Amino acid sequence: GAVVSQHPSRVICKSGTSVKIECRSLDFQATTMFWYRQFPKQSLMLMATSNEGSKATYEQGVEKDKFLINHASLTLSTLTVTSAHPEDSSFYICSARGLLAGSGRYNEQFFGPGTRLTVL
Amino acid sequence: AQSVTQLGSHVSVSEGALVLLRCNYSSSVPPYLFWYVQYPNQGLQLLLKYTTGATLVKGINGFEAEFKKSETSFHLTKPSAHMSDAAEYFCAVSVGANSGYSTLTFGKGTMLLVSP
Repeated sequence: GAVVSQHPSRVICKSGTSVKIECRSLDFQATTMFWYRQFPKQSLMLMATSNEGSKATYEQGVEKDKFLINHASLTLSTLTVTSAHPEDSSFYICSARGLLAGSGRYNEQFFGPGTRLTVL
Repeated sequence: AQSVTQLGSHVSVSEGALVLLRCNYSSSVPPYLFWYVQYPNQGLQLLLKYTTGATLVKGINGFEAEFKKSETSFHLTKPSAHMSDAAEYFCAVSVGANSGYSTLTFGKGTMLLVSP
């Protein structure tokens, strides 16, 4: 149990276009989803936290108008990189947390496999 | 605010040797501590975590870590390294983990290199 998927796994786009990345919790309801960004050989930096049905909370320095986050259901959150530029190229990872039915486990974050974005 | 320091961006060991990856944390309240492993171009997989109770925590793949409050440390160990252990390892801390809004703060990571 506790599987989180991301789609696509890799995306290459032209500068100025927008890219949408999906994060899905496959076998549990994710009340909270997190979006991270990871530059090569660096740690994960939290971009934003989203709770189902409410607006995302962005970390300091993250442009909310550039990185649009939607968490419309308990199993899906999307990150849209608008007007992407080469400096937005990075590895984007989502994680999800919620109550696993029958397990009593609530607080652990489960991570998706990541999406490699390359902006030309 | 909490923080995590991982000593050594790279650690090299021979296959069969002891693995020791160091992690120190800073937190004003009792922390929850985690170790994650990341293979190239993949997401993070939880190795083990400390929440409350026993300070020696056993995880997957033969790894274990000990929470030492007096030293504010949570070092990761494995008695005998395997080639498949070569990966990036991240230590993370979370406070207020019972809150629905708690977040993870990650260390910068340690790349474990295993030689034959």
